[in-house]
Amino acid sequence: GAVVSQHPSWVICKSGTSVKIECRSLDFQATTMFWYRQFPKQSLMLMATSNEGSKATYEQGVEKDKFLINHASLTLSTLTVTSAHPEDSSFYICSARTLSNTDTQYFGPGTRLTVL
Amino acid sequence: TQLLEQSPQFLSIQEGENLTVYCNSSSVFSSLQWYRQEPGEGPVLLVTVVTGGEVKKLKRLTFQFGDARKDSSLHITAAQPGDTGLYLCAGNFFLSGSARQLTFGSGTQLTVLP
Repeated sequence: GAVVSQHPSWVICKSGTSVKIECRSLDFQATTMFWYRQFPKQSLMLMATSNEGSKATYEQGVEKDKFLINHASLTLSTLTVTSAHPEDSSFYICSARTLSNTDTQYFGPGTRLTVL
Repeated sequence: TQLLEQSPQFLSIQEGENLTVYCNSSSVFSSLQWYRQEPGEGPVLLVTVVTGGEVKKLKRLTFQFGDARKDSSLHITAAQPGDTGLYLCAGNFFLSGSARQLTFGSGTQLTVLP
């Protein structure tokens, strides 16, 4: 149980385009989902906390207008990277927290974004 | 901002050797998790420790939570090449009310050579 999926698993786009990444909790409901960014050989950096039915909470230094987050249901959160630039190239990982266990996060497989 | 120091950052050992990875903070965790991540994949949860002084074993992996719930260690016995990966500790800190925030350590890249 507690499976989280992400789509797409990888994407290559041109500079200036927007890219949407989906995060789904497949077998449980998640009121809270998290979006992380990871650079090669580094740890995960929290970008934002996505709450179902309300606005996302962004970490300091993360532009909310650039990284749009929508959490429209208890099983789906989306991250849209707007007007992507090469410096946005990274590994984006989402996680979801179950309703019953607020301490454990289950992670998706990640999305590799490459902006040319 | 809660800080979680993880050491060592890199570790390369021979098959059969033992190793320990440390995770330390000046703050008290509500719980702490250890994850293992392979290249191009998301982190996979290995264990959650909650109680101070708790010890959990997962085959050749032993996880310990400090009595004060500020530190943790991961010990691997007789490491195998399949243990190669990025090991991450992550601590849950209390925020307001029942909110939790998960903060990751810097990670330990383990390479086990055959």
